[in-house]
Amino acid sequence: EPEVTQTPSHQVTQMGQEVILRCVPISNHLYFYWYRQILGQKVEFLVSFYNNEISEKSEIFDDQFSVERPDGSNFTLKIRSTKLEDSAMYFCASSEGPFEKLFFGSGTQLSVL
Amino acid sequence: AQTVTQSQPEMSVQEAETVTLSCTYDTSESDYYLFWYKQPPSRQMILVIRQEAYKQQNATENRFSVNFQKAAKSFSLKISDSQLGDAAMYFCAYCWYNNNDMRFGAGTRLTVKP
Repeated sequence: EPEVTQTPSHQVTQMGQEVILRCVPISNHLYFYWYRQILGQKVEFLVSFYNNEISEKSEIFDDQFSVERPDGSNFTLKIRSTKLEDSAMYFCASSEGPFEKLFFGSGTQLSVL
Repeated sequence: AQTVTQSQPEMSVQEAETVTLSCTYDTSESDYYLFWYKQPPSRQMILVIRQEAYKQQNATENRFSVNFQKAAKSFSLKISDSQLGDAAMYFCAYCWYNNNDMRFGAGTRLTVKP
């Protein structure tokens, strides 16, 4: 079965630094998402992306966050100036269409020190 | 605002037995989608089952079935013939049909006893 791949699996950064989390969605999928999960808590929606633009974003997705699809295969999440509370597992997901089955990547564990 | 509530933080079941995980949601919409996702210790998120609100028939996927009660805004997951590999965190999720913002419940940790 095709997979969503995320790199790196673990990222450690200092507070205030910029991080870029990378994802390669499934090739024929058109909808892309980022979610995060703080340890022991629920999975939270950050943003959805379609047709090279953000279609929805949550209140968590503030000006410190941005997403990009730079080359038609990668889908990135950038956090400009990381805060301690950004420490979480970040999941990328993709789907063929809206409200279709989401395929999730294995996640990037981000630790902000 | 759409919210999803899973009232059982933890559940356990004996291997080969049946267990039901509860989920309720709050919405004023009539067209939406409901999902159950499984998150094993690897923390990967795996779709278990999907229900379209306009369909009255309950979705089933092998040993997994749902009891969708639209009027009660209830969407419970039944796992039959439980297996050790079913042990995981289970998340109920809601998505309005005109919006890609999928909302998750807090999850239920399922333990399967041999």
